[in-house]
Amino acid sequence: AQTVTQSQPEMSVQEAETVTLSCTYDTSESNYYLFWYKQPPSRQMILVIRQEAYKQQNATENRFSVNFQKAAKSFSLKISDSQLGDTAMYFCASSRVGSSNTGKLIFGQGTTLQVKP
Amino acid sequence: SQTIHQWPATLVQPVGSPLSLECTVEGTSNPNLYWYRQAAGRGLQLLFYSVGIGQISSEVPQNLSASRPQDRQFILSSKKLLLSDSGFYLCAWSVLAPNEQFFGPGTRLTVL
Repeated sequence: AQTVTQSQPEMSVQEAETVTLSCTYDTSESNYYLFWYKQPPSRQMILVIRQEAYKQQNATENRFSVNFQKAAKSFSLKISDSQLGDTAMYFCASSRVGSSNTGKLIFGQGTTLQVKP
Repeated sequence: SQTIHQWPATLVQPVGSPLSLECTVEGTSNPNLYWYRQAAGRGLQLLFYSVGIGQISSEVPQNLSASRPQDRQFILSSKKLLLSDSGFYLCAWSVLAPNEQFFGPGTRLTVL
């Protein structure tokens, strides 16, 4: 079974600085997807970034980038130039592909990030 | 473009009363649909998912049920609410590969 672990329940960062959120996962699948979602105080879940496991290049979306270490089963999210609007709960998630794909996501427990002015 | 709607946004119900939460998706066909529950400050618990009309898979045994009467409509129900049913309920849709899910705005349910 797939599992996703976020070991940092809470983190804080000063505005304009860089922060990295950790995520590890466990899967027996050879191909899968990894995601980071953001849930601000409004509680709307927003997709931040997606990584396909067979792609070695780390995904990047503006100030958000990932460090995907497939052998170590690690998928960390780096937020550069942190902004007050980045204050949110961040969830790491994984999903299998292939014939048994139901589209289900396995979520981590979440990391609450506070950006301080 | 695709949009997902949930209603109501907020609901306060007495213990023992019935429940019906509705989720509809626009702009896509044959999506996978999902119901999640989230306690305050906690992670997401997958309750049900559906890969087609009338096809419902339950992830955890509980006091709730789900139905999918139309392709883009997903309903979460209960015959008698319990205090433990309180929480934030999220509906989501996806298409297979890359499996990314798109979430509705959620329903905050308080059972008193």
